[in-house]
Amino acid sequence: GAGVSQTPSNKVTEKGKYVELRCDPISGHTALYWYRQSLGQGPEFLIYFQGTGAADDSGLPNDRFFAVRPEGSVSTLKIQRTERGDSAVYLCATKAEISYNEQFFGPGTRLTVL
Amino acid sequence: KQEVTQIPAALSVPEGENLVLNCSFTDSAIYNLQWFRQDPGKGLTSLLLIQSSQREQTSGRLNASLDKSSGRSTLYIAASQPGDSATYLCAVNTGNQFYFGTGTSLTVIP
Repeated sequence: GAGVSQTPSNKVTEKGKYVELRCDPISGHTALYWYRQSLGQGPEFLIYFQGTGAADDSGLPNDRFFAVRPEGSVSTLKIQRTERGDSAVYLCATKAEISYNEQFFGPGTRLTVL
Repeated sequence: KQEVTQIPAALSVPEGENLVLNCSFTDSAIYNLQWFRQDPGKGLTSLLLIQSSQREQTSGRLNASLDKSSGRSTLYIAASQPGDSATYLCAVNTGNQFYFGTGTSLTVIP
């Protein structure tokens, strides 16, 4: 597709459940970022992939959060044992390889943990 | 750690006014700075990207400036329109990470 896509657009789950959020990047974009945005805040960095590897995962809040990008394209953010505090919009962004290129965002997945 | 601040947090102006949004950052070692627009319940739309070696970028009614040494950027919107109402976010790129401000919520009153 022409842009970054994310699925699902909305996810409601119960506390303690496991969820997976998917990001499909712009074709050819090697860099992929996951962010979390809480209400009234700017996006907060979670993890950055360059190709298949996580180049920087320092933003992941704890070991319940994990992300993969096995073939260097689609990425999945996985959250185990969800907590109410995980409720937020999860945004994915991608950019071309050269570091100064701009990043393009997907529409986000709104996660609600009841 | 890079800290990004946006002032004001909210701004309301009558249609047709020119306005300036401010973004400041604490560490001048950046690759670039990007301004985004976010509509309620939507993702981020890129408006302008300024490389660290540039002083300004223009697109239509938008002009963004960058003073890296003082850690400041401004987004100037000329002849504002109701359709400009949105939250405006700035983000600085330090290499691996992008750091965002909390945004300025703009309302343009018809």
